[in-house]
Amino acid sequence: EVQLVESGGGLVQPGGSLRLSCAASGFTFSSYEMNWVRQAPGKGLEWVSYIGVSGTTIYYADSVTGRFTISRDNAKKSLYLQMNSLTAEDTAIYYCARDLGPYSSAAYDYWGQGILVTISS
Amino acid sequence: QSALTQPRSVSGSPGQSVTISCTGTSSDVGGYNYVSWYQQHPGKAPKLMIYDVNKRPSGVPDRFSGSKSGNTASLTISGLQAEDEADYYCCSYAVYNWVFGGGTKLTVL
Repeated sequence: EVQLVESGGGLVQPGGSLRLSCAASGFTFSSYEMNWVRQAPGKGLEWVSYIGVSGTTIYYADSVTGRFTISRDNAKKSLYLQMNSLTAEDTAIYYCARDLGPYSSAAYDYWGQGILVTISS
Repeated sequence: QSALTQPRSVSGSPGQSVTISCTGTSSDVGGYNYVSWYQQHPGKAPKLMIYDVNKRPSGVPDRFSGSKSGNTASLTISGLQAEDEADYYCCSYAVYNWVFGGGTKLTVL
């Protein structure tokens, strides 16, 4: 069974940093592209970042470029999101999401349960 | 990258059909056949319902179908059931970016 489990969320002061992790199981993690998607309280979904299978191809939404860093460790079957210079606008539930496959795009077939990140003083 | 435009809400009675639109530009929806749709129930993670405009993942009922014309994609749900009541989001590839719609709340009357 495919499972994605996020961790590392919590309450952080503005300007602070946080590192999210996503532990994958039930599939060959190294064969799948991965993403982070977030959802502010009561709001819609927002794509945050993408990473290719080897970790060398990376994209970010304009809203987080220069502040967030996505990475992966295929040996540990884990996805990460390092978040710096956090602002209240980064308050959201953060989901890790698996790409369906290399011949599709925008198709996230498995999602974690989400982890809440709250930025507040 | 601007969010794709969806109606804020739609409604229908059990057994009826509803269609949710998703309007973008030639740089996203209109430029690629990479439009997906997600269903999200309150407090739950999104679920992939349609990908590549009109493909259904295994396990998704064939009551759900997708299409696209120009810069507008559509999700049609036929034979509405109570459990279809949820928020629905479209998503499109947009050249090294992926953009979601603002979401549509489907109410089953």
